[in-house]
Amino acid sequence: GAVVSQHPSRVICKSGTSVKIECRSLDFQATTMFWYRQFPKQSLMLMATSNEGSKATYEQGVEKDKFLINHASLTLSTLTVTSAHPEDSSFYICSAGKRVDEQYFGPGTRLTVT
Amino acid sequence: GQQLNQSPQSMFIQEGEDVSMNCTSSSIFNTWLWYKQDPGEGPVLLIALYKAGELTSNGRLTAQFGITRKDSFLNISASIPSDVGIYFCAGLPSGTYKYIFGTGTRLKVLA
Repeated sequence: GAVVSQHPSRVICKSGTSVKIECRSLDFQATTMFWYRQFPKQSLMLMATSNEGSKATYEQGVEKDKFLINHASLTLSTLTVTSAHPEDSSFYICSAGKRVDEQYFGPGTRLTVT
Repeated sequence: GQQLNQSPQSMFIQEGEDVSMNCTSSSIFNTWLWYKQDPGEGPVLLIALYKAGELTSNGRLTAQFGITRKDSFLNISASIPSDVGIYFCAGLPSGTYKYIFGTGTRLKVLA
């Protein structure tokens, strides 16, 4: 399989601050990575597609100015939650794969906004 | 966003029993993936299916890509306590690179 890591695993921040989450493919290169959000007891909802060297594409209803995505290299994508509010508290998960039809997930980042 | 119909929503079974869950869609899919998620963790890929009718096993797990390309099932044989978790299907619709996830099946195994 392929290994995807995320950092941090947990973060607590105050309302109004920004938080950056990293997603790395450890043993392969990924031109495309995906960012998901998962609320308690719910399924994964795709937020955006991160494309290396170009702008991310966002799903309907996801604010691109609030969730900034940077895919600066073939092994790293970052998601920055800007001006976080309590309703942004969630489990954020990224995925990547050697092929777009085979996706491996990172361990997730638990964000709590107080 | 769009989600697949996954059933059952939850299951309580005795250790040693077999388990079956499925996902259905109104759309044709090119790929089906099955994942298991433990609390506080990211989903772990169990089985990937790429062709209609394909039947693939991974240890005690067996999954099939439905012949109509609109459904898939996952079977777990002789369940053990560590099978506890949430199982998700994910389908890749034709003409897109974005996976759609099922609503999940919560499995609890009673020893």
